Amino acid sequence: NAGVTQTPKFQVLKTGQSMTLQCAQDMNHNSMYWYRQDPGMGLRLIYYSASEGTTDKGEVPNGYNVSRLNKREFSLRLESAAPSQTSVYFCASSDRNGGWEQFFGPGTRLTVL
Amino acid sequence: QKEVEQNSGPLSVPEGAIASLNCTYSDRGSQSFFWYRQYSGKSPELIMFIYSNGDKEDGRFTAQLNKASQYVSLLIRDSQPSDSATYLCAVPSSNDMRFGAGTRLTVKP
Repeated sequence: NAGVTQTPKFQVLKTGQSMTLQCAQDMNHNSMYWYRQDPGMGLRLIYYSASEGTTDKGEVPNGYNVSRLNKREFSLRLESAAPSQTSVYFCASSDRNGGWEQFFGPGTRLTVL
Repeated sequence: QKEVEQNSGPLSVPEGAIASLNCTYSDRGSQSFFWYRQYSGKSPELIMFIYSNGDKEDGRFTAQLNKASQYVSLLIRDSQPSDSATYLCAVPSSNDMRFGAGTRLTVKP
């Protein structure tokens, strides 16, 4: 089992460019999450999907969109990248929503110039 | 007040000592608490969780929970250089998990 996979691992964008971060899990989990991690800020939730077909905003959703393509895949899209979106992005999944162990992907390091 | 607060550190302890990591939370209704370890450049991984007041031991790790004081801690006994990492405290919210900013621990040989 690969667990949670993310692509790409690194990306450099110019301000205004768009891109999609891909995430997939093979653990048959119902819930999936997108976080960003900035120095001194910890992990902050961008969007989550409690189950296939549903998505909800987290703590910092502005500037992002998500798609729960199927039970395995959950993508994060930046429509018009800004320097403030420079961060490390982690995708995670869990069996259920709420107080259940979350399993994290390896992360995507994004720089917006 | 942040929902989950941790001392950012860095916390430095000598090899073989006990490392004590602390976390406070604001939601009195929280029922479960998680500790994640994150090595530099890597993703977080779960090392402990605790639901009940008191202590929970797993090898060299002990989680302590005091719901009245809204305080949860992680003790690492016989600290090893391989324990050097950032430790994140996490508390479930209604639909997600709220993470503290993490405490960076360095264990010096």
